[in-house]
Amino acid sequence: AQSVTQLGSHVSVSEGALVLLRCNYSSSVPPYLFWYVQYPNQGLQLLLKYTTGATLVKGINGFEAEFKKSETSFHLTKPSAHMSDAAEYFCAVSGLSGNTPLVFGKGTRLSVIA
Amino acid sequence: GAVVSQHPSRVICKSGTSVKIECRSLDFQATTMFWYRQFPKQSLMLMATSNEGSKATYEQGVEKDKFLINHASLTLSTLTVTSAHPEDSSFYICSARDRSRGGGSGELFFGEGSRLTVL
Repeated sequence: AQSVTQLGSHVSVSEGALVLLRCNYSSSVPPYLFWYVQYPNQGLQLLLKYTTGATLVKGINGFEAEFKKSETSFHLTKPSAHMSDAAEYFCAVSGLSGNTPLVFGKGTRLSVIA
Repeated sequence: GAVVSQHPSRVICKSGTSVKIECRSLDFQATTMFWYRQFPKQSLMLMATSNEGSKATYEQGVEKDKFLINHASLTLSTLTVTSAHPEDSSFYICSARDRSRGGGSGELFFGEGSRLTVL
């Protein structure tokens, strides 16, 4: 079984400050890991994903995440927060099969203070 | 990028009526689509996995007779909430994986979501 734990349901940062959203996963098989962003009353948009290869993954809007197998983590970072980054962020894990759904963490709401 | 269209985006209905939500993959074929439900300020809970041409697989606790899922083609899946009640009010989101992109490494593309309010 796969699961995802997102530490902190709400993170608040100042504009221009570092963003760090934490995600730990549990998986019995090599995981595929994803970060999605959701704006109010909208669907989810992919920020980035890790499948194989380089463990530091760069995504859209200046976000990146690093897969650390030894720590079973996939934390999301951005060097400098922008007001438009305020949203809900979900970490997710998937199995190997195309029929495997994503299992989501509970989400972290990011607030950016001017 | 791939686009998943979900319709309607908002629907208000009276208790006891049925509501159909459509999910279409516009520029790719999806043999598998997933339906999620999201309560306010909570995560996405998988309701069912919809496979083209076969019966949907429902997650434990999801009533298959209340949430009817049909996946008649490679680009269309529908969710029908039958005899809706106020407790069915929620945000329903469909997603699909491009069959041409291998395995679970392919990202899920999400529809815009449908907010159902049952009066």
